[in-house]
Amino acid sequence: QVQLVESGGGVVQPGRSLRLSCAASGFTFSTYGMHWVRQAPGKGLEWVAVISYDGSRKHYADSVKGRFTISRDNSENTLYLQMNSLRVEDTAMYYCAKDPGFWSGHFDFWGQGTLVTVSS
Amino acid sequence: IVLTQSPGTLSLSPGERATLSCRASQSISRSYLAWYQQKPGQAPRLLIYGASSRATGIPDRFSGSGSGADFTLTISRLEPEDFAVYYCQQYDNSPYTFGQGTKLEI
Repeated sequence: QVQLVESGGGVVQPGRSLRLSCAASGFTFSTYGMHWVRQAPGKGLEWVAVISYDGSRKHYADSVKGRFTISRDNSENTLYLQMNSLRVEDTAMYYCAKDPGFWSGHFDFWGQGTLVTVSS
Repeated sequence: IVLTQSPGTLSLSPGERATLSCRASQSISRSYLAWYQQKPGQAPRLLIYGASSRATGIPDRFSGSGSGADFTLTISRLEPEDFAVYYCQQYDNSPYTFGQGTKLEI
């Protein structure tokens, strides 16, 4: 069965960096687009970034563009999110989510999330 | 595209019918609209995609309808496990956006 396991969250000061990972299993990782979606405490869902199945195409929400970088290692079945210049408003649970196709824009499986807290 | 869900909170009893609305700020072409269910402390779960197609393993008491800018999620007969927060999401245009959610409470 599909499993997505995020890691790398924690408490970090504003302006610092953090890298999240998402280990995928139970499906052919290299043939699906992948996303990051976040949820601030007690708030709704916000799409963050998407990467195509082969890593050649990426797209970001305006709120993170220029600060976050999505990447993937298909040989390791792992998705990444490099987060630089973190802000207090980036505090959220970060979910990795599988696209049902190459890049359809919705999410058929989700990980359980990793919590990022940006605070001084 | 801004999605507005209504009502914000819906109070019903098991066995009743629930109707949740999602209105878009512009027409969503090809009915690229999804619905998700989220329970406390859990990740969201895909219920409906393409406005009306049920995801794998979703009971048939869940149904989606609508087109253009108006969409509806209907739960025909509420089970105790259905009380949760429901989000709609459009994937017609990037950035992919979610509604603010409808809390379905007992």
